[in-house]
Amino acid sequence: GENVEQHPSTLSVQEGDSAVIKCTYSDSASNYFPWYKQELGKRPQLIIDIRSNVGEKKDQRIAVTLNKTAKHFSLHITETQPEDSAVYFCAAPGGGADGLTFGKGTHLIIQP
Amino acid sequence: KAGVTQTPRYLIKTRGQQVTLSCSPISGHRSVSWYQQTPGQGLQFLFEYFSETQRNKGNFPGRFSGRQFSNSRSEMNVSTLELGDSALYLCASSLIDSLNTEAFFGQGTRLTVV
Repeated sequence: GENVEQHPSTLSVQEGDSAVIKCTYSDSASNYFPWYKQELGKRPQLIIDIRSNVGEKKDQRIAVTLNKTAKHFSLHITETQPEDSAVYFCAAPGGGADGLTFGKGTHLIIQP
Repeated sequence: KAGVTQTPRYLIKTRGQQVTLSCSPISGHRSVSWYQQTPGQGLQFLFEYFSETQRNKGNFPGRFSGRQFSNSRSEMNVSTLELGDSALYLCASSLIDSLNTEAFFGQGTRLTVV
């Protein structure tokens, strides 16, 4: 089945700086890579996703890059703001009948 | 459009009991997935249903089961509860499937086994 590794587990950045979270996956057949944000006590919500036919996708301050050869994808958040503080999860579709496999999450802390 | 609704929000059960959790997907969505979220293991996939059929199943024991009704509403059942089953159970609905399109999550059911 799919194995998704996510790093770092905790990331603390100064407000206004950039944050980068990286994930690797194992199944070369995976073709859809979503990122979810979960604020404390709330449900996970999709913030951006990328498909295997593109290498990068941007949405305002958020971008995701994908390297299919190396089997890794990254989330980039620029000009971080206090409301960016949350846990971020990457995911990839599992091989066979595994469903969506999530990374363990990154707790992003924005320091004022 | 109403979001994904899970009931109940909180449950306290005793070891050995069984529990049933309910999930109502977004109108028009035919896929419902279930996840177990714990601090140590993160989000772990339980199973996915589409048009009343289980399409995918995660690596959980047979005590965990589910079903989907003709109106796409889904239930999951856990029998012979163990202390380790204490977790937040999240369901997510997708238009077709969660492997290619956005999954919309419910608020979850917080299960505590004592």
